[in-house]
Amino acid sequence: AQRVTQPEKLLSVFKGAPVELKCNYSYSGSPELFWYVQYSRQRLQLLLRHISRESIKGFTADLNKGETSFHLKKPFAQEEDSAMYYCALSAQGYALNFGKGTSLLVTP
Amino acid sequence: DGGITQSPKYLFRKEGQNVTLSCEQNLNHDAMYWYRQDPGQGLRLIYYSQIVNDFQKGDIAEGYSVSREKKESFPLTVTSAQKNPTAFYLCASSIRDNYGYTFGSGTRLTVV
Repeated sequence: AQRVTQPEKLLSVFKGAPVELKCNYSYSGSPELFWYVQYSRQRLQLLLRHISRESIKGFTADLNKGETSFHLKKPFAQEEDSAMYYCALSAQGYALNFGKGTSLLVTP
Repeated sequence: DGGITQSPKYLFRKEGQNVTLSCEQNLNHDAMYWYRQDPGQGLRLIYYSQIVNDFQKGDIAEGYSVSREKKESFPLTVTSAQKNPTAFYLCASSIRDNYGYTFGSGTRLTVV
């Protein structure tokens, strides 16, 4: 069985502070992991995929197979980063399995 | 302008009635999905379809039904057997099953 855990429901940081949104997964195979973001009144959208190893809006995420984690990081948070963030796992031939999400609030 | 469209945006249903939520995409994506989003629960998979005329149950398929007669369309029917249908429903599509998803804007269903 596959599972995605986001331990924090809410994360509040000050503008300019580093931010780390935690994501842990359980899956016996080789996972593909994603981060999705939902800004207020907007559609859920893809932020980044681990396989592409890219940085989007200053966010990065590294897959750590030893710790089964895929934490999302940004060195300096901006107010516009305030949103709901979902970590998701794709198993071969199956649909994305989402975590319960973390609400990030960046305060000035 | 390519995209995925869900309609209606808001839907009210009386208990005991079936209701169908529409999802249409013009992205030429093969795969389509239905999720249910409840506060504190994240997104839970209802059904998904990787090709026309084929679909699979997700984690919470009971009380729901789907069809995939056309590549562009993947309607979801919430039947009277669904015990707690009031929720926000999201449709998505992707080129293939492990690629990034494009989401619709959602339908909020309320049972009255």
